[in-house]
Amino acid sequence: EAGVVQSPRYKIIEKKQPVAFWCNPISGHNTLYWYRQNLGQGPELLIRYENEEAVDDSQLPKDRFSAERLKGVDSTLKIQPAELGDSAVYLCASSLGWSGGTDTQYFGPGTRLTVL
Amino acid sequence: RKEVEQDPGPFNVPEGATVAFNCTYSNSASQSFFWYRQDCRKEPKLLMSVYSSGNEDGRFTAQLNRASQYISLLIRDSKLSDSATYLCAVTFNTNAGKSTFGDGTTLTVKP
Repeated sequence: EAGVVQSPRYKIIEKKQPVAFWCNPISGHNTLYWYRQNLGQGPELLIRYENEEAVDDSQLPKDRFSAERLKGVDSTLKIQPAELGDSAVYLCASSLGWSGGTDTQYFGPGTRLTVL
Repeated sequence: RKEVEQDPGPFNVPEGATVAFNCTYSNSASQSFFWYRQDCRKEPKLLMSVYSSGNEDGRFTAQLNRASQYISLLIRDSKLSDSATYLCAVTFNTNAGKSTFGDGTTLTVKP
C-alpha cells in the first residue's frame, strides 16, 4: 500500500515569492493534516481536514497561508508571499478519521522549504 | 508552558543500556497518547500507541500515568539502530483529532 505522497521534496525560493506544496494521502484516509516542523522542534499543526472540510485551522497564518482539499482527497498548501521565517519542513499526514478512539496518523516525507 | 513537554536530551548511552524517556502533558482531558520515532531528515513514524494498561512491543515498553499526567517510553538492550529522536504526541478530547507533539528527545546509542 502506498504511503502519503508529497511533492516537491525540496524547494528553495526567494522571500516574497509564492510556493505551493501538494499532498496525496493514503487511499481511504478521510482526515488530512498539514504540519510545520522547525529544526529541533516537534510538528506543529497548521490545518486539519475531515474530507473536504477544514475543521481546525486555528494555527494557520491566514494572511499568507492558504490550503484546499477540494475533492476530499489530495490537498495543496500555499504560502504567498513567503517570508524568511517560513523556512521549515512541511509535513502532510493522513488518518482514517477520528471516531472517539485512537487515530493513528501516517506522515509523508515532507517538503523542505528554504526561503532566501 | 507548553502543552506537551519532553526532555530534549541528548541521551548518550552505550549499546545494551536501558534508557527511559518521559513526556508530560498539561491538559487532563487528554485522550490518546503516542510515541513516534523520527530519524534525521525523515518523517515521524509511529512507534507505538500508549494505553492505560501499558503496552510492550519487544524491547519497547510504554506506560501512561494519568494521575501525574505523563507517559514514558522504556527501551531495553539499546541497539545502535535505536539512535533517533523520539516524539510524544497527545490528543485532547476537547478538540477531537488534534494531536499536539512534544519537541522530541534525542537518543544516541554508541558502540
